[in-house]
Amino acid sequence: DADVTQTPRNRITKTGKRIMLECSQTKGHDRMYWYRQDPGLGLRLIYYSFDVKDINKGEISDGYSVSRQAQAKFSLSLESAIPNQTALYFCATSDSRTAPGQYFGPGTRLTVT
Amino acid sequence: RKEVEQDPGPFNVPEGATVAFNCTYSNSASQSFFWYRQDCRKEPKLLMSVYSSGNEDGRFTAQLNRASQYISLLIRDSKLSDSATYLCVVNRGNDYKLSFGAGTTVTVRA
Repeated sequence: DADVTQTPRNRITKTGKRIMLECSQTKGHDRMYWYRQDPGLGLRLIYYSFDVKDINKGEISDGYSVSRQAQAKFSLSLESAIPNQTALYFCATSDSRTAPGQYFGPGTRLTVT
Repeated sequence: RKEVEQDPGPFNVPEGATVAFNCTYSNSASQSFFWYRQDCRKEPKLLMSVYSSGNEDGRFTAQLNRASQYISLLIRDSKLSDSATYLCVVNRGNDYKLSFGAGTTVTVRA
């Protein structure tokens, strides 16, 4: 089984709809992240969480919110989706006790029409 | 200026060739450096960390030049399976947040 899972894997939604992307991990890592990837751009950090009670905005948090329900679960919400939020979204985890490399889920391809 | 800049390529090489490419980073306080590999529409996967003294992992060699603020990756004896986009990733400092380059695409042809 994958260490980091994301649901859904693909989603098409309409402008104005609320949508939630979910991430779960079995790696036992304390830190979790949400990124989006757009063609020609590097991954950009939306939100990150160093533990259940520590949630921080990344560089592009406007229009997004997150919830860290448990150490293993970190969800990303788009309260009112807009077309320029069409992107590939990745969840990632890391362990503060070891090297700072991050491990990514398989991604969610979101299209907002 | 982007925090991490990479030549997007593509680098088109025959099997067995050596290919090398660099990335530059702007934050002199950066402490950790990585190369990730990303296949089309898939998640990035950690290829290797980059250490100050340079390091090898099989056919892959990474170098770090702190004075000039660049990182390099060299792939020897290229395989078809090396075709991917290689992401240069830099830790911004003590906060464990990473900055990603947009990637360098490598295509290895038979």
